[in-house]
Amino acid sequence: EDQVTQSPEALRLQEGESSSLNCSYTVSGLRGLFWYRQDPGKGPEFLFTLYSAGEEKEKERLKATLTKKESFLHITAPKPEDSATYLCAVQWNAGNMLTFGGGTRLMVKP
Amino acid sequence: KAGVTQTPRYLIKTRGQQVTLSCSPISGHRSVSWYQQTPGQGLQFLFEYFSETQRNKGNFPGRFSGRQFSNSRSEMNVSTLELGDSALYLCASGWDSSAFFGPGTRLTVL
Repeated sequence: EDQVTQSPEALRLQEGESSSLNCSYTVSGLRGLFWYRQDPGKGPEFLFTLYSAGEEKEKERLKATLTKKESFLHITAPKPEDSATYLCAVQWNAGNMLTFGGGTRLMVKP
Repeated sequence: KAGVTQTPRYLIKTRGQQVTLSCSPISGHRSVSWYQQTPGQGLQFLFEYFSETQRNKGNFPGRFSGRQFSNSRSEMNVSTLELGDSALYLCASGWDSSAFFGPGTRLTVL
């Protein structure tokens, strides 16, 4: 069964058009929820880790929030350089094993 | 601090051969995890090593193996390569609840 589901699979935005990406999870005993950005042919770049419902973290135009069932990555006034695939992952057991969602491919047009 | 390094960056092998990939974690990190990324299956966890011991293992056949050395550097080996093993292999270095990825090794099996 799917433990981590991201939506939408792809998202096209105009520059400056704010939106949100969704990551829903079904694991119990969540230890951490991670957000990464990945550019084509490169390794994922760490953005945030959220640990408990109600937690929020921000970095430049990105803000991540967490509830008991899902996380949102809000992108405010995006720029073309924000175009990338955004991945979320959950950590639910001992150690650093991550279970990833399928990702959201974001395209920001100037 | 220097980031996670992976060698080689690109590899071309033929079916039936074996391959060894290397990962050097961020200094001070004792956990090293390996992931396989393909367009069809996304990012999938292979295994995690911590202080030279395998701590977690994903759902991959025994042809995929790994090890970690006393300096935390890790290697993964794939024996009897199949066409379906073509992928980007990513290494993640971590401590506590963190995971930072390297640039990956692109393996092509012909």
